[in-house]
Amino acid sequence: GAVVSQHPSRVICKSGTSVKIECRSLDFQATTMFWYRQFPKQSLMLMATSNEGSKATYEQGVEKDKFLINHASLTLSTLTVTSAHPEDSSFYICSARDQWRGAETQYFGPGTRLLVL
Amino acid sequence: GQNIDQPTEMTATEGAIVQINCTYQTSGFNGLFWYQQHAGEAPTFLSYNVLDGLEEKGRFSSFLSRSKGYSYLLLKELQMKDSASYLCAVRPPGNTPLVFGKGTRLSVIA
Repeated sequence: GAVVSQHPSRVICKSGTSVKIECRSLDFQATTMFWYRQFPKQSLMLMATSNEGSKATYEQGVEKDKFLINHASLTLSTLTVTSAHPEDSSFYICSARDQWRGAETQYFGPGTRLLVL
Repeated sequence: GQNIDQPTEMTATEGAIVQINCTYQTSGFNGLFWYQQHAGEAPTFLSYNVLDGLEEKGRFSSFLSRSKGYSYLLLKELQMKDSASYLCAVRPPGNTPLVFGKGTRLSVIA
């Protein structure tokens, strides 16, 4: 199956710093990437949708200036958590889709666990 | 609107068969996914159905009835490692995000 990677897998940072998370599709072109957040024992929560070369579409309640998304190429999207605070500690997961390859193409990265102290 | 229902929790015995149901009411339909998610990990793809019927893949099978807005995931010969959350998700038409159910937490006991 298709592979999506994320880096880093785990990060601990101080409050007020910014953290960048990378999501890469390794063997297909990810025309669209989705960023999710998941708190312990809760459901996946969609944060934003990004299409290659255009601005991300954010879900209601997600601050676009705090969670910066860049999808500059067909294999890479980045999520930057700016001025992170302890309440941003969560499990961040990306999901990639090749919209031209077929509706069944939607795979998740392994996730990034963020802990803000 | 979009609504996907699946049971919150299920328990089954090692070696047995379990069926996890999912019903959906969505504005448009372009396929249904099942994902497995172990605690602390990201979801992994299990199956995709877009036509009615049963798709079998090893110990796991997935069924879809579009007219009834219904799907199930069937797990045979349960193993302890099958203890996980199982997520049902519908893909609406167009290049839009998947709509997820809240997931079914399956516990496999000896």
